[in-house]
Amino acid sequence: DARVTQTPRHKVTEMGQEVTMRCQPILGHNTVFWYRQTMMQGLELLAYFRNRAPLDDSGMPKDRFSAEMPDATLATLKIQPSEPRDSAVYFCASGLVPVPEGDPNQPQHFGDGTRLSIL
Amino acid sequence: SQQGEEDPQALSIQEGENATMNCSYKTSINNLQWYRQNSGRGLVHLILIRSNEREKHSGRLRVTLDTSKKSSSLLITASRAADTASYFCATARIYGNNRLAFGKGNQVVVIP
Repeated sequence: DARVTQTPRHKVTEMGQEVTMRCQPILGHNTVFWYRQTMMQGLELLAYFRNRAPLDDSGMPKDRFSAEMPDATLATLKIQPSEPRDSAVYFCASGLVPVPEGDPNQPQHFGDGTRLSIL
Repeated sequence: SQQGEEDPQALSIQEGENATMNCSYKTSINNLQWYRQNSGRGLVHLILIRSNEREKHSGRLRVTLDTSKKSSSLLITASRAADTASYFCATARIYGNNRLAFGKGNQVVVIP
């Protein structure tokens, strides 16, 4: 089965350090999502790419977070500088939106996440 | 903003029993989706029901949607220990461009 792959699975670092999380979406998928999951806030959408172009990053703190898709097989989420409140599980998901027509609201396929702890 | 909200939050049942979870939302939707999350893993899509559908089945899963009440329910019949997980509903808005709004999740524990 095709899967979304996220690396690293776990990351522990000190505050102020740069953190880079990587995601390999399912081959052929044209949408990529970054989510953050915490006990308090649940699952929050941070960023959304379609055909590698950022469509929505309104959920992301712009001063320290950045998301990119250098190519169709790699999405990255960076935090610089990291803070303890960034501790969470970060998920990447991908999906296939039929183009040019078709229902855009399709299931999303999630990776197993990066568990981030900022000390 | 649109948000799925599951109720009840936690459910503990014996193997073989049925488990029912509810979800409510606030605005018009294109579809509603249910996902399962096992401990330490990502969410897995279970079933999608469109706004013009009222009921859908997939194996031991039965989903209902009442757009007039803005609510949905997920029924797992003949539960198994492997069904122990958190279950999330997620709503897709009309013109939402494939973005989903997730609820806080239901924790289900199936006791062998």
